[in-house]
Amino acid sequence: EPEVTQTPSHQVTQMGQEVILRCVPISNHLYFYWYRQILGQKVEFLVSFYNNEISEKSEIFDDQFSVERPDGSNFTLKIRSTKLEDSAMYFCASSVGEAFFGQGTRLTVV
Amino acid sequence: GIQVEQSPPDLILQEGANSTLRCNFSDSVNNLQWFHQNPWGQLINLFYIPSGTKQNGRLSATTVATERYSLLYISSSQTTDSGVYFCAVYGGATNKLIFGTGTLLAVQP
Repeated sequence: EPEVTQTPSHQVTQMGQEVILRCVPISNHLYFYWYRQILGQKVEFLVSFYNNEISEKSEIFDDQFSVERPDGSNFTLKIRSTKLEDSAMYFCASSVGEAFFGQGTRLTVV
Repeated sequence: GIQVEQSPPDLILQEGANSTLRCNFSDSVNNLQWFHQNPWGQLINLFYIPSGTKQNGRLSATTVATERYSLLYISSSQTTDSGVYFCAVYGGATNKLIFGTGTLLAVQP
């Protein structure tokens, strides 16, 4: 069964460093998303991507964040200069109707 | 934006018991999904249900879009049902999922 895959599963980074989180969406899906979940809280929308451009972004998705679909299969989230408060689980999702989520990347900023 | 509230926030059950989880949303939605977040943090799809009733084994869901709520029924609960249950809605012109506040379920042996 097709699935959304994310790498890495865990990442620890120093404050101020750049991180890139990677996702391979389901191949025939058209919409791609990044969400995050701070420990113990609900899942928050960051950004949606359609037709090779951002279709919507939340207030959380500021200039420190960017997304890219570099090669037609991967979908990446870059955080330019990480802060302690960026520590969270980051989920990638894709949809063509029903949305499916990857297993998440747990990012810890120290 | 659309607000999605779930109740109860926490629920403790004995194995074998039945439960009903509720999701209320503040505006018309195009679609609705139920997820189970397992103890490892994975979001598992349960139902994609804009309206009506669907069943999958011990779980079933009903969405009444005109009254802006959805219900998730869990029958004969098992310890593996433990975790957080989220509903999420697609609303208005947006194609993004808006997640509810979640219900934390603990099933005790």
